[in-house]
Amino acid sequence: ETGVTQTPRHLVMGMTNKKSLKCEQHLGHNAMYWYKQSAKKPLELMFVYNFKEQTENNSVPSRFSPECPNSSHLFLHLHTLQPEDSALYLCASSQDVSGGSDTQYFGPGTRLTVL
Amino acid sequence: AQSVSQHNHHVILSEAASLELGCNYSYGGTVNLFWYVQYPGQHLQLLLKYFSGDPLVKGIKGFEAEFIKSKFSFNLRKPSVQWSDTAEYFCAVTLSGSARQLTFGSGTQLTVLP
Repeated sequence: ETGVTQTPRHLVMGMTNKKSLKCEQHLGHNAMYWYKQSAKKPLELMFVYNFKEQTENNSVPSRFSPECPNSSHLFLHLHTLQPEDSALYLCASSQDVSGGSDTQYFGPGTRLTVL
Repeated sequence: AQSVSQHNHHVILSEAASLELGCNYSYGGTVNLFWYVQYPGQHLQLLLKYFSGDPLVKGIKGFEAEFIKSKFSFNLRKPSVQWSDTAEYFCAVTLSGSARQLTFGSGTQLTVLP
């Protein structure tokens, strides 16, 4: 399934580096999401965008900076990360149906390792 | 805030055994419920979902789940598992009217022995 793609699939970076994660959805959806998946913890919602506007920021540290230039693309800019930020970062998209009956579709994730 | 509990962290079964994975949520209002599966090395895929109507929901690959409102549960079942069902299974919930806040359980790793 290639509805939601993410690049790169793996990333190793030092704590002083700046890098970006990219997500693209080919489903014609209006909403896009970033999640963090750490070992032995539930997926954590980080950011939500709807029609390019950020609608949710779940108390994410400022070293993570999202960007949504259009409804098909979503970026996560990373700078001065910590080793505990190592995780699988998942992107998702949804139609954003009003009333709550909405389904999110996920990309394959970027496995991030911070040294 | 709502929470989702999956009490079984790791389940090991032999092929052809029946499966039931537990999922409980903590919210008294109207909810939408999901089961996602993550096969080794693959992305999260939707197995099935419940929005309204018949509380017994059928999904892909022979899976089904039953919504029992009085028990705040949405357990996943399959009558006969296969080796290819080895994966991690996640239960998730959104509140009606707040579809963007998808809250996940911690997942259950299912290992099916051939």
